[in-house]
Order: sequence, then structure tokens, then C-alpha cells
Amino acid sequence: KAGVTQTPRYLIKTRGQQVTLSCSPISGHRSVSWYQQTPGQGLQFLFEYFSETQRNKGNFPGRFSGRQFSNSRSEMNVSTLELGDSALYLCASSLWGADTQYFGPGTRLTVL
Amino acid sequence: TQLLEQSPQFLSIQEGENLTVYCNSSSVFSSLQWYRQEPGEGPVLLVTVVTGGEVKKLKRLTFQFGDARKDSSLHITAAQPGDTGLYLCAGAGGAGSYQLTFGKGTKLSVIP
Repeated sequence: KAGVTQTPRYLIKTRGQQVTLSCSPISGHRSVSWYQQTPGQGLQFLFEYFSETQRNKGNFPGRFSGRQFSNSRSEMNVSTLELGDSALYLCASSLWGADTQYFGPGTRLTVL
Repeated sequence: TQLLEQSPQFLSIQEGENLTVYCNSSSVFSSLQWYRQEPGEGPVLLVTVVTGGEVKKLKRLTFQFGDARKDSSLHITAAQPGDTGLYLCAGAGGAGSYQLTFGKGTKLSVIP
């Protein structure tokens, strides 16, 4: 069974730009969660989608948004990038949400 | 808001030593998961503990869930360089909660 894939793996953007990250979950998994990981704050929950519906949202500004498609693939978008958005963005899929999370390798975003 | 405090934040030990990592909260969790993350990769699940007082062993790793389901510990016996990585604990809330709350992690370095 193929694991969780994330594209792109690395991304460099400048302040003010926007970015879209993609995540393909494990086949059969309907829950996709997104996390931001930084050395200072650790893993912070962004949002979780299940069957195309956002069920949970973390404490992030509205510049962070996401969506899930009917095939469970998910995208997250960050608009008006700030320097502090530089981080590793991890996507995880699971069967129902708070069970075992299977993580992708992450997208390393650098904002200059 | 449920919070998980992990300690120590950093740990550097010699090969063959024993160590314990702690994960504490004032909140009750329905289950607690431990993950290990290596550089450039996403976290990988090590174990899930569900019952208060539960002890699980995975080779040289011993995981314990507190009786009140508010805390957990990870003990590694005779640490090896291959144990090096970031250890994360994550708590699952009660019914209706679809997200995990992660601790900030313990960065372990095992020196040969």
C-alpha cells in the first residue's frame, strides 16, 4: 500500500506570495490532517478534513485554508506569505481522524 | 485547550545508557500515541496506549500510560545510535474529537 505523498517537497517563496501544497492520503483513508512544524512551536494542528468537510480547525489566521476532494486528496493554501510561515508542513491521513496518523514526508516551505 | 508537556526537550546520551522521556498534561486523554521522527521524514507511530496504567513494550522501548490517563512515559533501555530522533507524544480527546494534540517533542541524540 502506497504511503502518504506530499508535493512539492521543497518550496521557496517571497513575502506576499501565496502557495498551495498537495497531499495524497493512503488509499481508503478519508481523514486528512495538516500540521505546521517549527523548531520553536513543535507540531501545531492546522485543520482536519473528512469526506470533503472540515471538522476541526486549529488556531491559525484565515490566510491558511484547505480543502479536500472527493478522492480524499487534500490541498492547503497559504496566502500573503509572511516570514514566520517558514516551516515544515506535514500532512497525515487516517481512517477516522484521531486514530493512528500516517504522515507524509512534509513540504519544507521557506519564505524570503 | 488540551496541552501536552514533554520533558526533557533535549537529551544527549552515550550508547548503552538508559533514558526516560515524559509526557504530561492536566487533561484526560482517551488514548495516547508515541511517534518517532527522523530528519527529513514525517513522524512514524511507535505505539498507542489506551487503558490507564497500561504498559507496552517494543523491544528495548517501554511505554506507560498513567492511571488517570493524563500522562505517559517512554523508557529506552541500552540506547543505540539508531534510537536517535525526535520523540513525540500525542493525545486523542474524547468522543467527537477528531484531532490529536502533540507535545513539542524530545530530541534524542545517542552518541556511539
